Amino acid sequence: DAKTTQPNSMESNEEEPVHLPCNHSTISGTDYIHWYRQLPSQGPEYVIHGLTSNVNNRMASLAIAEDRKSSTLILHRATLRDAAVYYCILRDVIIINTGTASKLTFGTGTRLQVTL
Amino acid sequence: NAGVTQTPKFRVLKTGQSMTLLCAQDMNHEYMYWYRQDPGMGLRLIHYSVGEGTTAKGEVPDGYNVSRLKKQNFLLGLESAAPSQTSVYFCASTALDRGNQPQHFGDGTRLSIL
Repeated sequence: DAKTTQPNSMESNEEEPVHLPCNHSTISGTDYIHWYRQLPSQGPEYVIHGLTSNVNNRMASLAIAEDRKSSTLILHRATLRDAAVYYCILRDVIIINTGTASKLTFGTGTRLQVTL
Repeated sequence: NAGVTQTPKFRVLKTGQSMTLLCAQDMNHEYMYWYRQDPGMGLRLIHYSVGEGTTAKGEVPDGYNVSRLKKQNFLLGLESAAPSQTSVYFCASTALDRGNQPQHFGDGTRLSIL
């Protein structure tokens, strides 16, 4: 399985940018980098994904290193509602008789605390 | 705009009892997944389905069975519940299983086995 490494926890002040790092040194050329977050007592929520180029959406930005061995999720202005566990995931491919399927392997993620 | 709905939200069982967790999605997704999450850990894949009538084992399938009789529903069964199956169970779905498609998750079923 492809592996990612994230810090266990990070803290941020409200209204400040947050940079959440992720290392994935064993990434293969076709692996997409996915980020999900999990708010307390909720299921994981998709945040963003990318392959090689940096990506932006309404929730966050994803900066991918040129060698693709690391990436950074950027929350431009953290709010209290952004306090969650953030997971950096590489899609694993499962070979099945009809083709392939995905397996998202969730590690323990980074617990982001946001304070006033 | 329901997305992925899981029922029940909470359940307490005694060891040896059986039950079925229901996952329903209204997005016409082909692929559906069952995960479990133990305290302080990430999610682990139990079983998944690549379409109506098809199921396959994930990384922790022992003690569970699944069925996908209708495209919109994915059922997870515990035939004889054990305390080790105390966990939060999440269902997810996705339209096309390519590397760039997100999975949509339900809010989970919290299951305690006494």
